[in-house]
This record gives sequence, structure tokens and C-alpha cells, in this order.
Amino acid sequence: DAGVTQSPTHLIKTRGQQVTLRCSPKSGHDTVSWYQQALGQGPQFIFQYYEEEERQRGNFPDRFSGHQFPNYSSELNVNALLLGDSALYLCASSFPGQSYEQYFGPGTRLTVT
Amino acid sequence: AQTVTQSQPEMSVQEAETVTLSCTYDTSESDYYLFWYKQPPSRQMILVIRQEAYKQQNATENRFSVNFQKAAKSFSLKISDSQLGDAAMYFCAYRRGATNKLIFGTGTLLAVQP
Repeated sequence: DAGVTQSPTHLIKTRGQQVTLRCSPKSGHDTVSWYQQALGQGPQFIFQYYEEEERQRGNFPDRFSGHQFPNYSSELNVNALLLGDSALYLCASSFPGQSYEQYFGPGTRLTVT
Repeated sequence: AQTVTQSQPEMSVQEAETVTLSCTYDTSESDYYLFWYKQPPSRQMILVIRQEAYKQQNATENRFSVNFQKAAKSFSLKISDSQLGDAAMYFCAYRRGATNKLIFGTGTLLAVQP
């Protein structure tokens, strides 16, 4: 049973560029949440997708957007990258009805130069 | 707003000994869950243990147990018989009732000495 997978593993971008990160949820899960983890900090909730719609959002600017596809996989898009966007981006999946247990992927390390 | 505080940036324990990691939280909600997650150098966040706020009994998972003090809003993790593989960053997290949003503390880096 494949767990949560994320791609790419590492990414280096330049300020002002745009980036897309991808996540495939654990088999049977239909809800995906994204988190940003700055170095030395705990993860911060970005948003959650369910039934292809954004259901809940944390305190992040509109430069952060997402999408969920019919197969439940998800993308996180960040526009106009800033140096402060450098972080580990974690995806977590869950299935409503199972006490919202969230399973995390290995993350994508984004470096903005 | 809900907050989670971990006041121990780093802890160290001898192999086979017991260590306790502290966590306090602040919320006005009555329906919530508390978690301890482990993040090894591989970066993948792994759920260690979960506690439902409505349960008075402290959760236990093998060598891991919690001390849940609801009135004091305290949620500590005890690791018994520490093993080298327990070395990692440990995060305390809170989730309000029927939501997916996890609120994390800043973490405690646990070192296990052989």
C-alpha cells in the first residue's frame, strides 16, 4: 500500500519565479492538506482540499494556490517566489470518517535564491 | 486563536532510560485532538500517539504514553526504554474537532546517547 508521495524531492528556484509541487494521497484517502515548514520551525497549515475544492485555508497570501484532481492528487502553486518561501512543503492526506487521521508525505524542499 | 507551546528546544536521554517531553496548549474549544509527531532526519512526519480531549484515560502506544491534563492544558509525552531510533524532532500538535488543520508547536529535538 503506497503511502503519500510527493514530487519533486528538491527544487531550486529564483525570486519572482513560479513553482508547482505535487502530491499523491495514500490509497483510499480523498482529502489533502498542505503545510509549510520553515527551517527549525513546526509546520504551518496552508490549505486543505476535498472534492476538488479548497475547504479551509491558513494565513497565507493569495500567491499560494492549489488544485485537486478527480483522482484526489493535488498541486500546490506558489507565484512570485520570495526568499522567505524557502521551506519544506509537506502534504498530508486523510479520509473523513477515520477521525481525520493525517498521513504525511516526505516533503519537497524548496530553495529560493 | 489556538496555540501550542513546546518549551524544551532540545532534550537528551541515555539509551534504555525514560524521557518526558512537555507540551502546553491554549484553546477555548471543548472538542479537539492532541498529537505527538516524530520527524526523523528523513523528514517524514510520523504519528506517534493521539489523544481525544473527551477521553479521560491517557493514550498509550507500546513504549510511548501521554500525560493529558485537560484543566492545565498540558500534554506531555513519555518515552520509556529509549532506543537509538527514537532520536528525532518531536512535535506536539492540536486539531480542533471536525477539521483537518493541525497546529504545531516548535518542536523538541531528542538525542539518544548510547
